Amino acid sequence: DTAVSQTPKYLVTQMGNDKSIKCEQNLGHDTMYWYKQDSKKFLKIMFSYNNKELIINETVPNRFSPKSPDKAHLNLHINSLELGDSAVYFCASSRGIDNSPLHFGNGTRLTVT
Amino acid sequence: EDKVVQSPLSLVVHEGDTVTLNCSYEVTNFRSLLWYKQEKKAPTFLFMLTSSGIEKKSGRLSSILDKKELFSILNITATQTGDSAIYLCAVVSNTGNQFYFGTGTSLTVIP
Repeated sequence: DTAVSQTPKYLVTQMGNDKSIKCEQNLGHDTMYWYKQDSKKFLKIMFSYNNKELIINETVPNRFSPKSPDKAHLNLHINSLELGDSAVYFCASSRGIDNSPLHFGNGTRLTVT
Repeated sequence: EDKVVQSPLSLVVHEGDTVTLNCSYEVTNFRSLLWYKQEKKAPTFLFMLTSSGIEKKSGRLSSILDKKELFSILNITATQTGDSAIYLCAVVSNTGNQFYFGTGTSLTVIP
């Protein structure tokens, strides 16, 4: 049983294209996140949703648009991809109301050529 | 600005050595500090610390938090090659339940 699953695992695309990454969690968590991990392995928060409502929106280009159709899903759409968008994108979830850890998906490695 | 700093950035040791990884933080409205281990894929949860001075232990790994000096350490004794990974420290803020990650420590254990 996969707790936090994201698809695709790998995504190779050309500059200027639009792509989406999907994430689903079956843990019953209220809060979901998108993180970007760069080549130096630094995990930076991009967005956070709590019960389908956006609560954190860090300084991220507006080419990135998250969508949460329900609290078990948080998708990430990226328009006009740039070389600098190449990274591993992790979806994560947590209970959000108490001291509960983040549970991560296995990541999507995005390569923009 | 909230930040989490880990040191060292990387470490190479021999099997059997003991290592200490450091995490210092400046986060407003602190709630808890977590340690994660990242091998090839997703970071996996190791410990959560909320109170100063109480050691959390799991096998050869242990961790402690000092909320006065704003840091935590992760100790690994009798290291094994399977301990090779990136160890990430994250601090949780009560504001928006945000998790701030450090830059990680890359540990390599050689036989």
